[in-house]
Amino acid sequence: GDSVTQMEGPVTLSEEAFLTINCTYTATGYPSLFWYVQYPGEGLQLLLKATKADDKGSNKGFEATYRKETTSFHLEKGSVQVSDSAVYFCALSDLGDYKLSFGAGTTVTVRA
Amino acid sequence: KAGVTQTPRYLIKTRGQQVTLSCSPISGHRSVSWYQQTPGQGLQFLFEYFSETQRNKGNFPGRFSGRQFSNSRSEMNVSTLELGDSALYLCASSTQGGKETQYFGPGTRLLVL
Repeated sequence: GDSVTQMEGPVTLSEEAFLTINCTYTATGYPSLFWYVQYPGEGLQLLLKATKADDKGSNKGFEATYRKETTSFHLEKGSVQVSDSAVYFCALSDLGDYKLSFGAGTTVTVRA
Repeated sequence: KAGVTQTPRYLIKTRGQQVTLSCSPISGHRSVSWYQQTPGQGLQFLFEYFSETQRNKGNFPGRFSGRQFSNSRSEMNVSTLELGDSALYLCASSTQGGKETQYFGPGTRLLVL
């Protein structure tokens, strides 16, 4: 079945540092790819998404590009802030599955 | 538009009891999915409903069940609660399901004692 492998955490960074979280996937079809973020005590919020190869999703300074040849969807941000401290989940959804398959999540802590 | 709402937000039950959780999707969304989040297992898919029909079910025992009403609101029920059922239960909605973006509610945190 479909699966997502996500970079293990936790990740601790200083403010204004560069953030990368690696995500690779296995899918039988041509899935949509997502990054969700979860702040303490809250549900998941969509951060960005991409639906086809070479699409770049972007939001709030975060970016990820759908790489079909490497089956990857790595999340990047050039300059993190303390407010970016959260858990980040990579996920995919394939046609006919009617579900999201999630990676294990990466906890990111940004220190001032 | 109002977001996905879930009630109750917090719940404490004892082993052997049953519990019903409720989810109201975003207006116009007909697909509702449920997920269980635990520190050990992460986010796991429970089931998905569309127009009152279950289209997919995750690998959970029969104690976990759900349903969807004609107004797209959904409930999930867990019978004969076990300690391991303690988790954050998240509901998500989308227009049609499938590859669409799912929008999540704040979750119901269930503690089983």
